[in-house]
Amino acid sequence: AQSVAQPEDQVNVAEGNPLTVKCTYSVSGNPYLFWYVQYPNRGLQFLLKYITGDNLVKGSYGFEAEFNKSQTSFHLKKPSALVSDSALYFCAVRDISGANNLFFGTGTRLTVIP
Amino acid sequence: GAVVSQHPSWVICKSGTSVKIECRSLDFQATTMFWYRQFPKQSLMLMATSNEGSKATYEQGVEKDKFLINHASLTLSTLTVTSAHPEDSSFYICSARTQGLETNEKLFFGSGTQLSVL
Repeated sequence: AQSVAQPEDQVNVAEGNPLTVKCTYSVSGNPYLFWYVQYPNRGLQFLLKYITGDNLVKGSYGFEAEFNKSQTSFHLKKPSALVSDSALYFCAVRDISGANNLFFGTGTRLTVIP
Repeated sequence: GAVVSQHPSWVICKSGTSVKIECRSLDFQATTMFWYRQFPKQSLMLMATSNEGSKATYEQGVEKDKFLINHASLTLSTLTVTSAHPEDSSFYICSARTQGLETNEKLFFGSGTQLSVL
């Protein structure tokens, strides 16, 4: 069964510092991995995905994530955090059994401190 | 980008009443829509997959007679919480999928509905 773990409920980082939001996964086959962001009073927005290819994936708003198969991780990163990056971030893994569903982690609230 | 409109944003109802939540894809046709619920500090949990013109597929543990899903058109899916009880209070969110999920991310989310049952 597919599952996703986000070990940190809350991450605080100073503006301008690099940020990392952690995600580990468990799948039976090859994972399709996603990051979504939820700003207050708005729906989830797609940030980036890993399907195949380069382990380092670049996405929207300067975010990137690195797929690490040996560690079964897909951590979200950004070199220099902005206050506007403060939001709730969800990691997700796709069910490749055919239903095309996404299974989400519990979310990590990122707060960027000015 | 594509927009998914979910209405209402929040609703308060009395126990025993029914509540309908609408999910509309505004500028694309969504053959498949998904309904999730989220309890505080918990992950989004898939409730059901809604395919246009056919019956919804419910996840294990989700009561299909309680959470009625209708996907009558390519742009509209509704979730009706029937005979709501306080334990149904939750954040419900829909997403709509176009074709080509593997090659291009075509999954868009509504802004969610906070349901409070008194």
